[in-house]
Amino acid sequence: GAVVSQHPSWVICKSGTSVKIECRSLDFQATTMFWYRQFPKQSLMLMATSNEGSKATYEQGVEKDKFLINHASLTLSTLTVTSAHPEDSSFYICSARDQGTTDTQYFGPGTRLTVL
Amino acid sequence: GNSVTQMEGPVTLSEEAFLTINCTYTATGYPSLFWYVQYPGEGLQLLLKATKADDKGSNKGFEATYRKETTSFHLEKGSVQVSDSAVYFCALITGTASKLTFGTGTRLQVTL
Repeated sequence: GAVVSQHPSWVICKSGTSVKIECRSLDFQATTMFWYRQFPKQSLMLMATSNEGSKATYEQGVEKDKFLINHASLTLSTLTVTSAHPEDSSFYICSARDQGTTDTQYFGPGTRLTVL
Repeated sequence: GNSVTQMEGPVTLSEEAFLTINCTYTATGYPSLFWYVQYPGEGLQLLLKATKADDKGSNKGFEATYRKETTSFHLEKGSVQVSDSAVYFCALITGTASKLTFGTGTRLQVTL
C-alpha cells in the first residue's frame, strides 16, 4: 500500500518550453501533496504544498508563476515548469500525505528534468 | 525553527559490519521522527518512524529510538549488506502542517 507514482520519470526539453510532471497516489487519497527539488548530492528542498481544491502554498524564494501547481483531485497533483531554463534542471520529487494520517508522507520515485 | 543534523558521509563499511548513523534535532513541540532511504536514481522510501519519546521504529533490520532527553534518533543496523548502499535521510514533522524538515543525508557505501 501507500504507493505514489510520478510521470514522466525523466524528461529532456529545450530551453523556453514548458514541462508538466504528474504525481499520483495510487491506493490512497491525498488531500495534501508536496513538491520537492533535489540537487545532486544534496537534501530535498520543499518547493510548495499542494492542497486538493485550493491554491498551492509556495515556500519562500520559489516563483509561483514559474512552477505552476494544480491539485485537481484527491489522487493527482501536477507541477508545470514554465519557460524552462537550464538552471531548472534538477530532480523533482513529490510526496503525498494519506488523509487518514497526520504525519507520514509517501514519496514518488522522482522526475529528472534536463533542460538543454 | 526546526532543524535536523546528521553525521556527514560518506560512510563506508564492509558487509556484515555494524552501522550507526547519528541524527539529532531541534524542534518546537513534540515532533514525529523519520528515517527515509534513497537508492540511486530513485525517490525516497520511508524506512521507519517514531512518534513519541522512547518509541523504537524498526524495519528491514534497521532500528532507531526516539530519545527526547538527548534529542536524538540514531539509525542502527547490526549487519549491513551491499544492498543497503544508499543515502539515508533523517527527518521530522511537528504540528499539523506536515512539512518535513530533512537532514542533509548520509551516504552509505557497503563493500564486499
